[in-house]
Amino acid sequence: GAVVSQHPSRVICKSGTSVKIECRSLDFQATTMFWYRQFPKQSLMLMATSNEGSKATYEQGVEKDKFLINHASLTLSTLTVTSAHPEDSSFYICSARGLHRGTNEKLFFGSGTQLSVL
Amino acid sequence: QKEVEQNSGPLSVPEGAIASLNCTYSDRGSQSFFWYRQYSGKSPELIMFIYSNGDKEDGRFTAQLNKASQYVSLLIRDSQPSDSATYLCAVNPNNNDMRFGAGTRLTVKP
Repeated sequence: GAVVSQHPSRVICKSGTSVKIECRSLDFQATTMFWYRQFPKQSLMLMATSNEGSKATYEQGVEKDKFLINHASLTLSTLTVTSAHPEDSSFYICSARGLHRGTNEKLFFGSGTQLSVL
Repeated sequence: QKEVEQNSGPLSVPEGAIASLNCTYSDRGSQSFFWYRQYSGKSPELIMFIYSNGDKEDGRFTAQLNKASQYVSLLIRDSQPSDSATYLCAVNPNNNDMRFGAGTRLTVKP
């Protein structure tokens, strides 16, 4: 099956620093990548949708200047949490939708990044 | 009304029993429906997807879809303790993004 690689798996950082999370589709081309955030015992909350070569579309209530998304190629999207604060501590998960039949109707998830801001 | 609704549980069944997980959705135009399993601290993994009304079986899992009632369910036969997880129902309302329910926590007791 299609594989999505997400790094790092865990980050601990000081308040005020920026953290970059990478999401790569390893064996397929992903036209669209999605970034989710999940707090403990809660469901996935869609933060933004990114399409290769265009600006990301953010969900209501998600600050685009705080959560910078770059979808530079068909296999890579990055999420940068700028000036992170303790309330940004969460589990961040990316997912990708493929370009071709067999990968374009489902979402394939990365392994997630647990961000802890001290 | 939430776009995708699930009973949060917890749902507890004995080992070997059938676990039944339910989900309703609000967008009548939705075309594809998914069930994901998520273990604590891990990412969701796809278990089943269904596009047409009726039942779809894959091993111990059966997905059921009723578009008229806007209802999709997942049955797990011969439940095992390893099936204990949170099950997320997801709906693809516009062929672009995917909307998730809050998840149902399932516990299978040995």
